[in-house]
Amino acid sequence: EAGVAQSPRYKIIEKRQSVAFWCNPISGHATLYWYQQILGQGPKLLIQFQNNGVVDDSQLPKDRFSAERLKGVDSTLKIQPAKLEDSAVYLCASSPSPNQPQHFGDGTRLSIL
Amino acid sequence: KQEVTQIPAALSVPEGENLVLNCSFTDSAIYNLQWFRQDPGKGLTSLLLIQSSQREQTSGRLNASLDKSSGRSTLYIAASQPGDSATYLCAVRGWETSGSRLTFGEGTQLTVNP
Repeated sequence: EAGVAQSPRYKIIEKRQSVAFWCNPISGHATLYWYQQILGQGPKLLIQFQNNGVVDDSQLPKDRFSAERLKGVDSTLKIQPAKLEDSAVYLCASSPSPNQPQHFGDGTRLSIL
Repeated sequence: KQEVTQIPAALSVPEGENLVLNCSFTDSAIYNLQWFRQDPGKGLTSLLLIQSSQREQTSGRLNASLDKSSGRSTLYIAASQPGDSATYLCAVRGWETSGSRLTFGEGTQLTVNP
């Protein structure tokens, strides 16, 4: 079974620029998650989708971050404008349903100059 | 608000040693607890999952225990090998009706020296 695919693997931008990340979950997984992992910390959930609906976005900085999951499959996470503190690894995960184990992609490492 | 703490933050041991990683959480009303492994530049790989009604889970050289009442879990690694070198993360899941939010600790970075 193919795993969770994320792109790009690395991204370097200047502050105030915009950036977008893409995630393709495991086929058939209805639940999709975006996490932010700052260096030296554990991942923090940003947003959870069930099919194409948002279940939990309570920790998403909505003034600059947005995410969508059109057609309930692929998802994109966008930051606009980026701040220095957004430097982190952005991990995507998916699961068949909300209470089943999550499978993680390798992440996108974002550096803000 | 659930908080998860892992001790120690880093650990270096010689090959062959048995070791214990610790995880504590502040809210004992958890649905389950999971231990993950993270290699540099990679995502997370699930190692063991313990439901709130269970006391321990075993997989090969790994054994995880859960004491929900005291808010503690341990991950025991027997006969450590250099390939075990990685960051180990503990995560707890609460009882939100929507399910599935994981709260992670900051991890223990393990180095096993040949």
